[in-house]
Amino acid sequence: SQQGEEDPQALSIQEGENATMNCSYKTSINNLQWYRQNSGRGLVHLILIRSNEREKHSGRLRVTLDTSKKSSSLLITASRAADTASYFCATDARNSGGSNYKLTFGKGTLLTVNP
Amino acid sequence: ETGVTQSPTHLIKTRGQQVTLRCSSQSGHNTVSWYQQALGQGPQFIFQYYREEENGRGNFPPRFSGLQFPNYSSELNVNALELDDSALYLCASKQGLNTGELFFGEGSRLTVL
Repeated sequence: SQQGEEDPQALSIQEGENATMNCSYKTSINNLQWYRQNSGRGLVHLILIRSNEREKHSGRLRVTLDTSKKSSSLLITASRAADTASYFCATDARNSGGSNYKLTFGKGTLLTVNP
Repeated sequence: ETGVTQSPTHLIKTRGQQVTLRCSSQSGHNTVSWYQQALGQGPQFIFQYYREEENGRGNFPPRFSGLQFPNYSSELNVNALELDDSALYLCASKQGLNTGELFFGEGSRLTVL
């Protein structure tokens, strides 16, 4: 089952514009992560934000987290053609023993940056 | 490059056959997890191995099984293949059980005919 749901499913913008993707989830989390996937390839970790953090920056990436609304957003500023990829949010999940053991991914947002 | 390697990269099987996929974790990582990603979907957690023992399992039937070896490399075995098993199978590694970044391989693309 999918814990996170990204919105929009697809986004097309011009180079230099900003891209914003949103993620909603259902249960309490310890952290939320964003990953990027080029077509048919492996996933690459972008950024992790903990449940007690509200905003985090990494280069051109800005992530926000609102635990009261169970939502997160990923902003990519000054986008480039090379940013074209699918972007996934992923939330952790605790098993009954209390140790985190898996990430649950959403369906992703397909971002296309046109030159 | 994450240092996680998977083999084979592509393979084609027929219904009812069995398949073994292999993964070498990044140096220093003792936890390996496997994910199934169907076309157009996000990765779905299959199971995780920590220090050679299964540490958690997703909603997959018993015909999906795995192993982790003393060098922390891992195998995913799928018996009695079904058409719906066609997917990209991703292996990811990390150090320990604490939540944190996963390092993914490039995946094995399985097609079941």
